[in-house]
Amino acid sequence: NAGVMQNPRHLVRRRGQEARLRCSPMKGHSHVYWYRQLPEEGLKFMVYLQKENIIDESGMPKERFSAEFPKEGPSILRIQQVVRGDSAAYFCASSTGLQETQYFGPGTRLLVL
Amino acid sequence: QKEVEQDPGPLSVPEGAIVSLNCTYSNSAFQYFMWYRQYSRKGPELLMYTYSSGNKEDGRFTAQVDKSSKYISLFIRDSQPSDSATYLCAMKNNDYKLSFGAGTTVTVRA
Repeated sequence: NAGVMQNPRHLVRRRGQEARLRCSPMKGHSHVYWYRQLPEEGLKFMVYLQKENIIDESGMPKERFSAEFPKEGPSILRIQQVVRGDSAAYFCASSTGLQETQYFGPGTRLLVL
Repeated sequence: QKEVEQDPGPLSVPEGAIVSLNCTYSNSAFQYFMWYRQYSRKGPELLMYTYSSGNKEDGRFTAQVDKSSKYISLFIRDSQPSDSATYLCAMKNNDYKLSFGAGTTVTVRA
């Protein structure tokens, strides 16, 4: 009964490279959420997806960031041309429904050099 | 002003003490209130989930919500060293978007 899985757990990128973060929701969960946690700050909502649909991306920067949740496979958060300010912990959560409890994964810690 | 305010601490208590944590918020539309525990380098783990005002108890944990004051609390009785973690309050209205406090770091000394 695996929980939410994220990989990689740690990712180091140089400025200008691309970062791909993957999230596999809990079994039976079709709703995926991405949050970002900056040092000394709380988690901030980025995007909400269902299979093959982006429902709400209001918390995601308009440029360089994109997310998808394909019919098959994990959800992907992609950051193009990373900058030092992108260094943060990125958490994925999943739920069975819109208003149901969100269960979080262990996070991916991105460091941009 | 942040939507959810939480004192980051750190808070250090001796084993067996009562830990008292709280958050204030500004959005009166929030109806669902949660407390998550986050161990170092791990993901948040849901501890308590309450709807609207009132108290909820689960073992050594008690969550209180006072919507009139826009204030929520978490109490941990008989604290243990294993309770040492960062505690995050979170809240939402009728949709899915969780708003988090910055977290309070708690250390329980053996």
